[in-house]
Amino acid sequence: DAGVTQSPTHLIKTRGQHVTLRCSPISGHKSVSWYQQVLGQGPQFIFQYYEKEERGRGNFPDRFSARQFPNYSSELNVNALLLGDSALYLCASSNQRGQETQYFGPGTRLLVL
Amino acid sequence: AQSVTQLDSQVPVFEEAPVELRCNYSSSVSVYLFWYVQYPNQGLQLLLKYLSGSTLVESINGFEAEFNKSQTSFHLRKPSVHISDTAEYFCAVSSSSNTGKLIFGQGTTLQVKP
Repeated sequence: DAGVTQSPTHLIKTRGQHVTLRCSPISGHKSVSWYQQVLGQGPQFIFQYYEKEERGRGNFPDRFSARQFPNYSSELNVNALLLGDSALYLCASSNQRGQETQYFGPGTRLLVL
Repeated sequence: AQSVTQLDSQVPVFEEAPVELRCNYSSSVSVYLFWYVQYPNQGLQLLLKYLSGSTLVESINGFEAEFNKSQTSFHLRKPSVHISDTAEYFCAVSSSSNTGKLIFGQGTTLQVKP
């Protein structure tokens, strides 16, 4: 079975632009969580979606938004990009409402210039 | 709210020596505990987890961790490390009611030298 997939793998944007990151969970998994990992730090929780509804939100500004589609894939959107948004964005999926282990994708590396 | 502290940012060790990576957590609710490993330019891979039951949990590649509730610790150990164990290791905690939100420590870089 395919694991969690994310696209694109790398992305370069300039300040003020908008970006959309995509995640496909493991088949059968209904929960998707997003994390931001700045270089040299541990991942920080951004959002959790389960059955297309937001179930949790971390301490991130409103420039960050996400959604989950009927096929359980998910998008993370970031508006008005800042230099500090440069990071590895990780998506993780689990097969129940947060009662199971999260499996991570390879991430999208975003560089904001 | 939960928090995780990994007490060592870097741990250098020679091949075949034992190693311990330390992790302490704080939480006001019942928790699950995890260790993830991250190789360069990759995502996170689950190494082992504690959900309930035996406080000593083991991975398939020789790592083990022990949940100590009184000391709020979940230290990771391996009796004999290999060069291939060189990576970044993250300790994480979630509430037992929702593992969809993981709180991670800052990470420990394990550097195995020949």
